[in-house]
Amino acid sequence: NAGVTQTPKFQVLKTGQSMTLQCAQDMNHEYMSWYRQDPGMGLRLIHYSVGAGITDQGEVPNGYNVSRSTTEDFPLRLLSAAPSQTSVYFCASSPLAGDRIGVTEAFFGQGTRLTVV
Amino acid sequence: RKEVEQDPGPFNVPEGATVAFNCTYSNSASQSFFWYRQDCRKEPKLLMSVYSSGNEDGRFTAQLNRASQYISLLIRDSKLSDSATYLCVSRSPYNTDKLIFGTGTRLQVFP
Repeated sequence: NAGVTQTPKFQVLKTGQSMTLQCAQDMNHEYMSWYRQDPGMGLRLIHYSVGAGITDQGEVPNGYNVSRSTTEDFPLRLLSAAPSQTSVYFCASSPLAGDRIGVTEAFFGQGTRLTVV
Repeated sequence: RKEVEQDPGPFNVPEGATVAFNCTYSNSASQSFFWYRQDCRKEPKLLMSVYSSGNEDGRFTAQLNRASQYISLLIRDSKLSDSATYLCVSRSPYNTDKLIFGTGTRLQVFP
């Protein structure tokens, strides 16, 4: 039972390099999202998607791109890495809440620890 | 103002103590609320969903007050293994479905 799989677990980039963080889920969840977590800042929403072909910006989208060509995959692209993007990145998925209350637990990947030097 | 706010703590309590965390949210349209637990450098995991009537799971009790827009988590008979960061989460309704996290409240239980 894979759940949410993130790769890589660790990555070091040089300033200006680009890379893609992969996220895949096998639970047929419509909702997928990316967060970054920095000390004292909690989890901040970068981008999210409510279904294939639909994405939207979260709280801190600058410097990141996403696409959702399939239900299963939601990659996060860093276009030109900067030291300010050093962080731990989490991908999460869940069923859509719609008008249902309390039934939509989000499942997280194990995180990607990214360092930009 | 952040959409979900929590006291960052840390709360340092002895084993066996009762401890309560509060969380406030600003979006009155939010429909669903959750408490997640996060251990150091690990992914968050669901602790409890929060229902309007309040709900209990063993030593943990969650309450929702829609009029005052706050959520609480009560932990009774604290264990050393309860040491973690507790994240308050609200979910926007309908088409947006965004999950918004508070910054977390750190709990340290000591012997």
